[in-house]
Amino acid sequence: QVQLVESGGGLVKPGGSLRLSCAASGFTFSDYYMSWIRQAPGKGLEWVSYISSSGSPIYYADSVKGRFTISRDNAKNSLYLQMNSLTAEDTAVYFCARDEGSSSWYFWGQGTLVTVSS
Amino acid sequence: QSALTQPASVSGSPGQSITISCTATSSDVGSYNLVSWYQQRPGKAPKLIIYEGSKRPSGVSNRFSGSNSGNTASLTISGLQAEDEADYYCCSFGGTKTYVFGTGTKVTVL
Repeated sequence: QVQLVESGGGLVKPGGSLRLSCAASGFTFSDYYMSWIRQAPGKGLEWVSYISSSGSPIYYADSVKGRFTISRDNAKNSLYLQMNSLTAEDTAVYFCARDEGSSSWYFWGQGTLVTVSS
Repeated sequence: QSALTQPASVSGSPGQSITISCTATSSDVGSYNLVSWYQQRPGKAPKLIIYEGSKRPSGVSNRFSGSNSGNTASLTISGLQAEDEADYYCCSFGGTKTYVFGTGTKVTVL
């Protein structure tokens, strides 16, 4: 069955960096666009970024453009999110999700919590 | 980026029908035929319940239905049940190859 497992979250100081990973299984990873979506504590969902099945094109939300980099390794069935210049506003649970097209994500990971605090 | 506005909360009694609206605040939000809806229970990942405006994924109850009129998309839950108590989010294209989620609606079953 389809599984998405995020890892790499944790506590980081403002201005710091963190790299999230998402391990995919149960489907042909290289066939699907993938997205990162986040949710700040007690807040709503925010789409962060998506990457095509081949690795290009890539798009970002304005709130993370220039600071976050999405990438994937189809040989390793893995999705990544490199996060730099982190601020308190980046504190959130980060979900990876399989993009079904038309703003639809059917399969989601369990999420990984990123806390930016001094 | 554009925004999608939802009511903060909607409530209903068991068996009733409720409707959650999702209104675009900008004209560059994509077609409402492509709106998706998500149900999220506390501490859980969101669950896709409607896609492409009105389609239900396999396994989703037919008590959930989606529609649109003008610049507003809507989710209707019929025959409200206690298990429907959750947060609900709409989502659509936000213009320039981006996505935008709605502000979210907390559904309470009285």
